[in-house]
Amino acid sequence: QKEVEQNSGPLSVPEGAIASLNCTYSDRGSQSFFWYRQYSGKSPELIMSIYSNGDKEDGRFTAQLNKASQYVSLLIRDSQPSDSATYLCAVMNTGNQFYFGTGTSLTVIP
Amino acid sequence: GAGVSQTPSNKVTEKGKYVELRCDPISGHTALYWYRQSLGQGPEFLIYFQGTGAADDSGLPNDRFFAVRPEGSVSTLKIQRTERGDSAVYLCASSLSEGSTQYFGPGTRLTVL
Repeated sequence: QKEVEQNSGPLSVPEGAIASLNCTYSDRGSQSFFWYRQYSGKSPELIMSIYSNGDKEDGRFTAQLNKASQYVSLLIRDSQPSDSATYLCAVMNTGNQFYFGTGTSLTVIP
Repeated sequence: GAGVSQTPSNKVTEKGKYVELRCDPISGHTALYWYRQSLGQGPEFLIYFQGTGAADDSGLPNDRFFAVRPEGSVSTLKIQRTERGDSAVYLCASSLSEGSTQYFGPGTRLTVL
């Protein structure tokens, strides 16, 4: 079982819609969770971090964490073509090791 | 302030050669991480430093890979006897402290012919 799993997609949504990206992790004791965005040929850039159960909102982005279900998600409201990218979920496990998922490719269609 | 920088941006080498990849972290960041990313994959952890010491090198694939951070700032990833399978983008990230948000450099694209 991989440490972090994501649906690789591709996920396509129309402009203005909500994009929902999901991630599961295997180490139940993990405490830190991150979403990164990576444009083609570029390095990952942080969108959000989340450490507690529940929702965390930042502009059009909402991260959701459910530690009981070992599940992290990212919602993007009012999706824009510029949101088209690969979204990486990253988890720091109990050994302070960082693991990334393989990423979900998102395309926002104008 | 300046972000994480990596040099070179591209490196093409021949099988069997030795390469060094450099990472200059954000000033004041004590933790430094190296990752390797292949096409269509997420970053794969290699090693991380807390200060000058390698706190976790469990991700290094074999003993051809080695990394140093002698003064707790700049780090060099060294690959001996390169193989075609080493071709990837090598990413460096730094964070203010262990476990906090990591900021990535632009990466070094290594191609082994």
